[in-house]
Amino acid sequence: SAVISQKPSRDICQRGTSLTIQCQVDSQVTMMFWYRQQPGQSLTLIATANQGSEATYESGFVIDKFPISRPNLTFSTLTVSNMSPEDSSIYLCSVGREETQYFGPGTRLLVL
Amino acid sequence: GQNIDQPTEMTATEGAIVQINCTYQTSGFNGLFWYQQHAGEAPTFLSYNVLDGLEEKGRFSSFLSRSKGYSYLLLKELQMKDSASYLCAVRDLLADSNYQLIWGAGTKLIIKP
Repeated sequence: SAVISQKPSRDICQRGTSLTIQCQVDSQVTMMFWYRQQPGQSLTLIATANQGSEATYESGFVIDKFPISRPNLTFSTLTVSNMSPEDSSIYLCSVGREETQYFGPGTRLLVL
Repeated sequence: GQNIDQPTEMTATEGAIVQINCTYQTSGFNGLFWYQQHAGEAPTFLSYNVLDGLEEKGRFSSFLSRSKGYSYLLLKELQMKDSASYLCAVRDLLADSNYQLIWGAGTKLIIKP
């Protein structure tokens, strides 16, 4: 498995502002993923973040809105930019290891 | 196209057995996963099937039939703490990443005393 931490665990933000979410893994991993999960819904993949290359975004998600950094093999950040109430959600990072994915605890975001 | 179907919600009684089904259609297949997610928490990995048959892990078992595009998760001796959502996910052989998964909408399991 993997030990994954996320910061912040939760936040309440004003519309128009930006929030950067950090994801730290206990050991080096090649693949990191960022997901969004809205209340009562399943997981929606935002992007895949590989170290040393630009993130790959899924349909409906763009870099200007969700910039991602992956400076090394144990860390990544996701920024939610120019937030609106529709961005209220849980944001989860996950890592690929042993042919499966393991998830961090999530960041609960409420945009007012 | 790619599609994963599972029931939205199921109810079962403490101490009983419940089977949660998952059917899938993908361009290629390279493994099926079950995750458990308690309300307000992150998903946790339960099981992985890549070959046909039953994988047993304590009270939980997972079954796969690749020819039918079908899997189920079997939970025995249900406990109240098993109340959670159960997510079915498939790894598509043609995905860009070996770790990328296609997710079902999840089945909310309610356990009653």
